[in-house]
Order: sequence, then structure tokens, then C-alpha cells
Amino acid sequence: NAGVMQNPRHLVRRRGQEARLRCSPMKGHSHVYWYRQLPEEGLKFMVYLQKENIIDESGMPKERFSAEFPKEGPSILRIQQVVRGDSAAYFCASSSIRGRNSPLHFGNGTRLTVT
Amino acid sequence: EDKVVQSPLSLVVHEGDTVTLNCSYEVTNFRSLLWYKQEKKAPTFLFMLTSSGIEKKSGRLSSILDNKELFSILNITATQTGDSAVYLCASASNAGGTSYGKLTFGQGTILTVHP
Repeated sequence: NAGVMQNPRHLVRRRGQEARLRCSPMKGHSHVYWYRQLPEEGLKFMVYLQKENIIDESGMPKERFSAEFPKEGPSILRIQQVVRGDSAAYFCASSSIRGRNSPLHFGNGTRLTVT
Repeated sequence: EDKVVQSPLSLVVHEGDTVTLNCSYEVTNFRSLLWYKQEKKAPTFLFMLTSSGIEKKSGRLSSILDNKELFSILNITATQTGDSAVYLCASASNAGGTSYGKLTFGQGTILTVHP
């Protein structure tokens, strides 16, 4: 019974490159959430997606960041032209329709390092 | 804007000690309060509290919510070195009348248990 799967676990990018982070939700879950954890800080909500729809992107930076959750395949968080300040751990969580009042369960995260 | 504040920010104890971690919150349309334990990777779920005054227990850990004074505590008795972690508190609200997994996290309490 696989949990939320994220890959890669670690990602190193040079300034100006693109970063793509992938998240496969738990089986049967159609709601995905992305959170970012900067060094020495708590997790901050970024975006909430259902299949093919962005429901709430109030936590996403206005530029360079985008997210999608296609009908088939994992959810993707894309960061264009990365800068050093994007270095952080990015966590994904999922829930089912019926589980909206259930606690979120997180993946192991992707640690992005921008050099 | 929803706000969650944890105290202390860090705590160092010896094995066998009892610790109390604090979490205060200011949340519009409060739905629940959650505690997570984070070691090197994914935050792992501990408790979800929705009703005031009802204690939840899991082994040596317990937690209670006071939704009049707007705080929660997490107690760990007979601490062990394996309890060393960051403990995160998060609030969930009924944003826009629809409940989902948009959590507001505190900055965490770093607990270090020495042998």
C-alpha cells in the first residue's frame, strides 16, 4: 500500500535552470497539495489541485512557479529559472474526496538545491 | 490571515523526562488542529483534534485542544532518544465554506533528547 511518492528525492540545479518535481498521490486519491519548507521554517502551503484543475494557488509565487495534475500521471511542480532562494524541501500530500476531513499524509519530499 | 505559533522553539531534555509542547492559533472558520513529527524526511501524522477538552493518546504521547483559549498541547512522557525530532502543529480551516487540506503550520519545536 504505497504512500505518497515523490521524486527525485534530491535535485541540484544551477541558477537559471528549470526544476521539475513529481508527486504520485496515494492510490485512489484525486486531491494533491504542495508545500514548501524553507530552511529553519515551518511548511507553507503553495497549491491545491484536483485532477486537471487548480483549486487554490494562493501560496504560489506569482512568477516562475507552476503546477499541474493531469488526468493521467503524477502531479508536477515546475520552477523555471531557479534562483538560490528556491532552495528548499518541497513536500506533496494527497487526500481522497471522502477523506477531506482526514489528516494529510505527506511524501518524503524533494530537496532542491540551487547552486 | 491564519496564524499558528509554537513554543518553545527548541527544547533539550534527558531520557525519561516529560515534555510539554505548546501551540496557539488564530484561525478563521477553525476546523481542526493537527500535530506532526518530522525527522529527516516526511512529517508523520500524530494527532488530529477537533473537539475541545477531549484528550487523544497514543502510547507515551497525548494531546488536548482548548478551542476557547485557542491552544493545544502535546505531551510526551518518559522521553526516549527516538523522540528527538521537530514537532509541527498545524491548523485547518473551512476556507470559503469548503473543507480541504490547506494547513497553516507553526514554525515547529525542535526536541532533543539526550541519553
